[in-house]
Amino acid sequence: AQSVAQPEDQVNVAEGNPLTVKCTYSVSGNPYLFWYVQYPNRGLQFLLKYITGDNLVKGSYGFEAEFNKSQTSFHLKKPSALVSDSALYFCAVRDFGSSNDYKLSFGAGTTVTVRA
Amino acid sequence: NAGVTQTPKFQVLKTGQSMTLQCAQDMNHNSMYWYRQDPGMGLRLIYYSASEGTTDKGEVPNGYNVSRLNKREFSLRLESAAPSQTSVYFCASSAGQGAYEQYFGPGTRLTVT
Repeated sequence: AQSVAQPEDQVNVAEGNPLTVKCTYSVSGNPYLFWYVQYPNRGLQFLLKYITGDNLVKGSYGFEAEFNKSQTSFHLKKPSALVSDSALYFCAVRDFGSSNDYKLSFGAGTTVTVRA
Repeated sequence: NAGVTQTPKFQVLKTGQSMTLQCAQDMNHNSMYWYRQDPGMGLRLIYYSASEGTTDKGEVPNGYNVSRLNKREFSLRLESAAPSQTSVYFCASSAGQGAYEQYFGPGTRLTVT
């Protein structure tokens, strides 16, 4: 069965500093990987995805993520964080080609706080 | 273009009461989903509909039923609410399965007393 781990419940950074949110995954087939962001009292918004091809994917609002197959990781990064990036971030994986490939499995989420 | 809409936004039920959560999307998506979000647990899939006319159980289907009314609408019914069903419920849709990203509604916050 597929699973996703977000090892940090909280990440705190100063505005202007680099932001990294970590994600590792486990699948039996091929991983389709996604990042979503949730602002308070809102639904989840799609940021970016990795399906195949270039290991570095770029997404909305200046975010990017790097797929690392050997480390089974898909960390989210932003070179210069903004206060408005403060939110709850979810990593998700679909185990494509397995019996569970209908299911998108989410991590528990990482709360990012960017201080001015 | 409203995306994914959900009603109601908030609901308080007593144990044993029933209710239906409504969801509609205007993106002509084939697949629709219902999730629940609980603190520290991420989102868990309750039911999904890969295409109009089909529905399937997800990870946590017990106590729930769904109806894919047409391509736009996918409702979630709680027949006899229990306090364990206190949660935030999200509806989502996607163009298809596999590599397609999902688009989420604003959520329904349900409290069962």
